[in-house]
Amino acid sequence: NAGVTQTPKFRVLKTGQSMTLLCAQDMNHEYMYWYRQDPGMGLRLIHYSVGEGTTAKGEVPDGYNVSRLKKQNFLLGLESAAPSQTSVYFCASSWGAGAGELFFGEGSRLTVL
Amino acid sequence: GESVGLHLPTLSVQEGDNSIINCAYSNSASDYFIWYKQESGKGPQFIIDIRSNMDKRQGQRVTVLLNKTVKHLSLQIAATQPGDSAVYFCAENRARNAGNMLTFGGGTRLMVKP
Repeated sequence: NAGVTQTPKFRVLKTGQSMTLLCAQDMNHEYMYWYRQDPGMGLRLIHYSVGEGTTAKGEVPDGYNVSRLKKQNFLLGLESAAPSQTSVYFCASSWGAGAGELFFGEGSRLTVL
Repeated sequence: GESVGLHLPTLSVQEGDNSIINCAYSNSASDYFIWYKQESGKGPQFIIDIRSNMDKRQGQRVTVLLNKTVKHLSLQIAATQPGDSAVYFCAENRARNAGNMLTFGGGTRLMVKP
């Protein structure tokens, strides 16, 4: 099993451009998450999904949109990228609520110039 | 405000020694805590977890201690090895009914000296 796979792994954007990060998991997990990680800081939750067709805002949702059209995929979109969105983005998935580990992808490094 | 934090940003230990990484939390309603290890260029990996109805849990070479009185969490690594060099995050689950949302601390970098 591949676990959690993120694409692309690296991307450079100009301010104002749009892009989509794709996360795919093959563990049949119900819950999926997008986090961002900035230097010297922990992971901050952007958006999450508790099942196919559902999404919810996390701690830092502004400037991002998400979609969960299929259970195995969770997309993170930036409609108009800003330099403040330069970060490493991690997708994660888990079985369900309340407990249990999150399985993380390898990360996607995004630079906005 | 409510937060999950760490006492030390960097910890340097000699190979073979025991390591102790500390974490403070401020939300007494948190009932689940996890430690993650993140190696350079990789995503976080689960190490061990503990529920608030426990004060100690052991894994392979790792032990997590929870002191609810002072809202303190620690990760102990026995016989630290070079492969243990990484950033360690503690995380707490604050909203069990709103998904498995974890709040992460800032991380402690563990450096193992040969």
